[in-house]
Amino acid sequence: ELKVEQNPLFLSMQEGKNYTIYCNYSTTSDRLYWYRQDPGKSLESLFVLLSNGAVKQEGRLMASLDTKARLSTLHITAAVHDLSATYFCAVDEDFGNEKLTFGTGTRLTIIP
Amino acid sequence: DAGVTQSPTHLIKTRGQHVTLRCSPISGHKSVSWYQQVLGQGPQFIFQYYEKEERGRGNFPDRFSARQFPNYSSELNVNALLLGDSALYLCASIGNVYNEQFFGPGTRLTVL
Repeated sequence: ELKVEQNPLFLSMQEGKNYTIYCNYSTTSDRLYWYRQDPGKSLESLFVLLSNGAVKQEGRLMASLDTKARLSTLHITAAVHDLSATYFCAVDEDFGNEKLTFGTGTRLTIIP
Repeated sequence: DAGVTQSPTHLIKTRGQHVTLRCSPISGHKSVSWYQQVLGQGPQFIFQYYEKEERGRGNFPDRFSARQFPNYSSELNVNALLLGDSALYLCASIGNVYNEQFFGPGTRLTVL
């Protein structure tokens, strides 16, 4: 059974600082997704990572994928308050059967 | 283009009742998935449908069922509701490129 673990679970950081969220998964997969969820809201797609070494950047967020290490990272640069949310990684373990297994989520709070 | 739509937005039921949740995917998408998100956890996969056929089922009891219609909209049915069924139910419309999943606003179900 595929397991997806994120750490940290909770993260408080000051505006302007950098930090990284880690996503580890237990089986081989070439597809990994990052989502953002605001309180009481649905999931917003941030990044789709499709191959080993893939790197995507959007604004202050950058995601990468290392399929050999079964690890993805979401790096936050110079955090701003608007980035406060819960971030989930999700793994598609079987191409052709689009079942996503989600991580536990990282609740990020940016402190002014 | 309209995004994924779900109805109703909120629903309150009592134990033992039945509920039907509805989802319309993004125009041009033929596949939908359903997820259950309990407060404080990541979404859990329930079903995936493509071209009206079930292509995947998560670890949920037979009280949960779904179907997809010729216009690719979908219904999720839950019978004999339990308190533990209280959750946010998310429908995802699966894109034709990279199988990226775009989530609807969700239906928040409360079982009393």
